[in-house]
Amino acid sequence: AQRVTQPEKLLSVFKGAPVELKCNYSYSGSPELFWYVQYSRQRLQLLLRHISRESIKGFTADLNKGETSFHLKKPFAQEEDSAMYYCALSGSRDDKIIFGKGTRLHILP
Amino acid sequence: DTGVSQDPRHKITKRGQNVTFRCDPISEHNRLYWYRQTLGQGPEFLTYFQNEAQLEKSRLLSDRFSAERPKGSFSTLEIQRTEQGDSAMYLCASSFGLAVADTQYFGPGTRLTVL
Repeated sequence: AQRVTQPEKLLSVFKGAPVELKCNYSYSGSPELFWYVQYSRQRLQLLLRHISRESIKGFTADLNKGETSFHLKKPFAQEEDSAMYYCALSGSRDDKIIFGKGTRLHILP
Repeated sequence: DTGVSQDPRHKITKRGQNVTFRCDPISEHNRLYWYRQTLGQGPEFLTYFQNEAQLEKSRLLSDRFSAERPKGSFSTLEIQRTEQGDSAMYLCASSFGLAVADTQYFGPGTRLTVL
């Protein structure tokens, strides 16, 4: 079964410290992985996707097929990073995205 | 273009009533998705349209739910005989392209409360 697991409901990190939001997935095949973010009072929006191999707002995520993980990382947290982060996947033959339950990132001053 | 819009933003109804939500996608976006999000959960896929054709429906979409996109532009989601378990945020998203991996742009959502 397709599943996305985000083990942390809440992650508190001091400003300037490194951030790692964990995401593990279950999918039989080649998934496409995404991170979506929702800032306070804003809409859900795409942060990055693994096929782009890009860095957005200092965040990167590497797909590790051996560990079936797609952790989101940033070397130095900023206060504006406080938000809800959702890991998501879709399959190459699927037409839907499956979201994890989300992790709330709280950056402490 | 101000992005995806949804109407109403909030809806309170009594159990057993019918409700209808509207989603206006970004112009020229050919795909439109509906999701449901309950407290503490991520968005759950309900259904999607490619132009006016409804191509997939989730098992979450019981026979009390129906969605339309008659002219390939705006879409409506109707819930008949609402139940308290239908209380949730209903999100709409649109994208341009033929793949689910194309960037989906989300609306602000309609929060439904069933009393």
